[in-house]
Amino acid sequence: GESVGLHLPTLSVQEGDNSIINCAYSNSASDYFIWYKQESGKGPQFIIDIRSNMDKRQGQRVTVLLNKTVKHLSLQIAATQPGDSAVYFCAENTNNNAGNMLTFGGGTRLMVKP
Amino acid sequence: EAQVTQNPRYLITVTGKKLTVTCSQNMNHEYMSWYRQDPGLGLRQIYYSMNVEVTDKGDVPEGYKVSRKEKRNFPLILESPSPNQTSLYFCASSFDRSSYEQYFGPGTRLTVT
Repeated sequence: GESVGLHLPTLSVQEGDNSIINCAYSNSASDYFIWYKQESGKGPQFIIDIRSNMDKRQGQRVTVLLNKTVKHLSLQIAATQPGDSAVYFCAENTNNNAGNMLTFGGGTRLMVKP
Repeated sequence: EAQVTQNPRYLITVTGKKLTVTCSQNMNHEYMSWYRQDPGLGLRQIYYSMNVEVTDKGDVPEGYKVSRKEKRNFPLILESPSPNQTSLYFCASSFDRSSYEQYFGPGTRLTVT
């Protein structure tokens, strides 16, 4: 499958533990944030999103936290499973004259140990 | 099945030999875009299209061309590929420019020697 890079930060967790993946964003005017999951050989897949007027949003086994003061975003995965092994990207959306523009972070590789 | 398809998935070519990577979506999306993904740099947008016959440059358009003659297709053209265009390329689509959620294709691994 496709590899997204050899120099990604890597988080290694035990199956069943909780995972926390962090992301720092750059633009204080960003109004929307998304987490994507990219498995080997596949394109990025939408996981969860959060608007800038929120601090927290929960999905199924995933929670996204937004701290606008320090421009920090985190993705928490509860009871991590082997199928969660992938590269995770955060993206920030900024609205310019042409519409919405997504800027992606470099990604974090999550490895789940059985 | 709703999807974005790309062809080819893998391509090895030589410097200067023109190539086209095709992208097609079956969701009737207005907005389509091309990204390249390089180690440590994340996804960077090359070109995007808000609708048929409407295309615009993204962050890294140099060395690339696109066209949008039909709503479903958005080919990426490299007129004279160079080794610095060796990368993993993704096509994506969304309902329109104001939609945040983009659907990505499976990627095309291009190597230019």
